[in-house]
Parts: sequence; C-alpha cells; structure tokens
Amino acid sequence: QKEVEQDPGPLSVPEGAIVSLNCTYSNSAFQYFMWYRQYSRKGPELLMYTYSSGNKEDGRFTAQVDKSSKYISLFIRDSQPSDSATYLCAMSGGGSNYKLTFGKGTLLTVNP
Amino acid sequence: DARVTQTPRDKVTEMGQEVTMRCQPILGHNTVFWYRQTMMQGLELLAYFRNRAPLDDSGMPKDRFSAEMPDATLATLKIQPSEPRDSAVYFCASAPPRGGLTEQYFGPGTRLTVT
Repeated sequence: QKEVEQDPGPLSVPEGAIVSLNCTYSNSAFQYFMWYRQYSRKGPELLMYTYSSGNKEDGRFTAQVDKSSKYISLFIRDSQPSDSATYLCAMSGGGSNYKLTFGKGTLLTVNP
Repeated sequence: DARVTQTPRDKVTEMGQEVTMRCQPILGHNTVFWYRQTMMQGLELLAYFRNRAPLDDSGMPKDRFSAEMPDATLATLKIQPSEPRDSAVYFCASAPPRGGLTEQYFGPGTRLTVT
C-alpha cells in the first residue's frame, strides 16, 4: 500500500459544478497537507496547504483534513473550464524534513 | 516574474548515453529539489539541497544518478548511463529560506525519453 492514495480519475464535470477531490494516507506522522494543480506540460503549482486538521478556504477552493480518518479533500465551487488540470495532493511530517509525498493526481476536465 | 528555469525542455537519447539536466532556481531561494514524474509512480522526490549542500538523496538511484549545485544559481542532475526506465519528466523546484515545505516553486520540467 502506498503512503498516499489518490483516485486518478479522469473526472469530467459541467461548468458550474461542485468538484470534490480526495486523498487517503496511511502515515499518521503527516502534519502538512497540500494541494497542487498541474496543467498539461507544466510544473505543479501550489493551490493551498493546511496544517493538521480542519478546513481552509481560498476563494472557490476549500481544503479539508480529517486526521482521524486519514482523509483529505479539495472542493472546487462553481468550477470553470480553466480549472481543467491534474490535481495532486501532497503531505509531509514537517519539521526540518522538506520531503513531500505526493498522490498520483486526479485529472479533472470542466466542460463549458 | 521570477520563475524556475530548466533546460533542456525535451531530451531524446539512446540507452547508455549521459544525460545532464540543468536548473536555475529563483534568485534568493536557498533550497532546491529534484523530482521525477511518471505515470506509474507519480511525482517522487529524488534529492534536495539547502544552501548548496545535499540534505537528502535517498530517492535517487546512486549507481547512475548524481546531483550537484556548482553554485547558487545552478543545479544539475546527471544520469550516466541512461536506461529506458529513466524516461520521465524531471522537475526542479526551489524554495525560499523558511519556506521549504509550503513554498516550493516548480520549473516546467525536462521530458526525458531514453530509447
């Protein structure tokens, strides 16, 4: 079992839909949880990160972490065609160790 | 607009050849990461440097891969000899002081194909 599991999709939704992307993990030492967005033939870019449990909102994006279930989610409200990309979750134990463990990514297409 | 640059963007080579990938981190960033992305394994950390010193290279096959930072503006990743299983996209990322975990800025990647 990999440390971080992410459904690769693909996920296809109509414009305006609410999108839910999820990852599960097995390492209880993870404290930092990130979501990256990667457009085709580009490098990943950080969308948002959460420390420990709880929710964090940034515009149309909401990140949730449930450490008791080892489950994290990213919600996209009012999805736009420009949101079409691969979304990668990433996690770390923090401290002086900068190693991130990534999920394989979910390919999202938002259809106009 | 500060960004990480990588060269070459695409590289096709034959098995057994040496491959060198270069990365210029964002000015002022002191932590540099090398990642490899494949369909099968996803994005994996190969190695990272802080202030040009290697901190962790546990993800890198030691027999054929080497990573260096000759100076603060250049990081290199070499593969010698290359093998078809090395075909992947290699990303460099850099981070500012105290931002190594949550402020990693990725370059556009080098797409390597080994035939």
